[in-house]
Amino acid sequence: EAQVTQNPRYLITVTGKKLTVTCSQNMNHEYMSWYRQDPGLGLRQIYYSMNVEVTDKGDVPEGYKVSRKEKRNFPLILESPSPNQTSLYFCASTNGQYNSPLHFGNGTRLTVT
Amino acid sequence: RKEVEQDPGPFNVPEGATVAFNCTYSNSASQSFFWYRQDCRKEPKLLMSVYSSGNEDGRFTAQLNRASQYISLLIRDSKLSDSATYLCVVYSMEYGNKLVFGAGTILRVKS
Repeated sequence: EAQVTQNPRYLITVTGKKLTVTCSQNMNHEYMSWYRQDPGLGLRQIYYSMNVEVTDKGDVPEGYKVSRKEKRNFPLILESPSPNQTSLYFCASTNGQYNSPLHFGNGTRLTVT
Repeated sequence: RKEVEQDPGPFNVPEGATVAFNCTYSNSASQSFFWYRQDCRKEPKLLMSVYSSGNEDGRFTAQLNRASQYISLLIRDSKLSDSATYLCVVYSMEYGNKLVFGAGTILRVKS
């Protein structure tokens, strides 16, 4: 089954404790992206990647890192999480260009206390 | 002004009703338009693309008005299962290399 898989689904952590949210897709998509979703603000892009070893900042990259060592994986790293990073996170991918519809993972709800 | 704006709702409608949402976008050079559906706390899923001439998929009709810079979604014969948040999504090269999402319109269909 074609899918984008994120883990974990839920994560509660404390300020400053490094964490990684994994994202993997099995569709051989070149484009992958991370979003956060907050009430009233919609989905905002954190980082995106056009291909292996190619990553770029989105609208809200501060406090996040990503890597793209393999085509299928695009982990999101929070080196020192803070409470304002409490949010619902989605990974997405597409085989097309920037204007192609996205396939989303099922989300990671992160709470930073 | 936000790049993509939607009425947050909620729109509360009875089963069988026809309901329409609009979404306005700020960049006149926008090129691609989509409607996504998002169920509570779940991932967004593509509902339909929006084409210049308008397009229909079953009970759903999407239209684009470039002159007034808005897209619309019409749902006929609403079902309980249509209850969700509907996200308007726009692509323009001037927004950068990304899709821009509206904050969504909540639809509640009641029996």
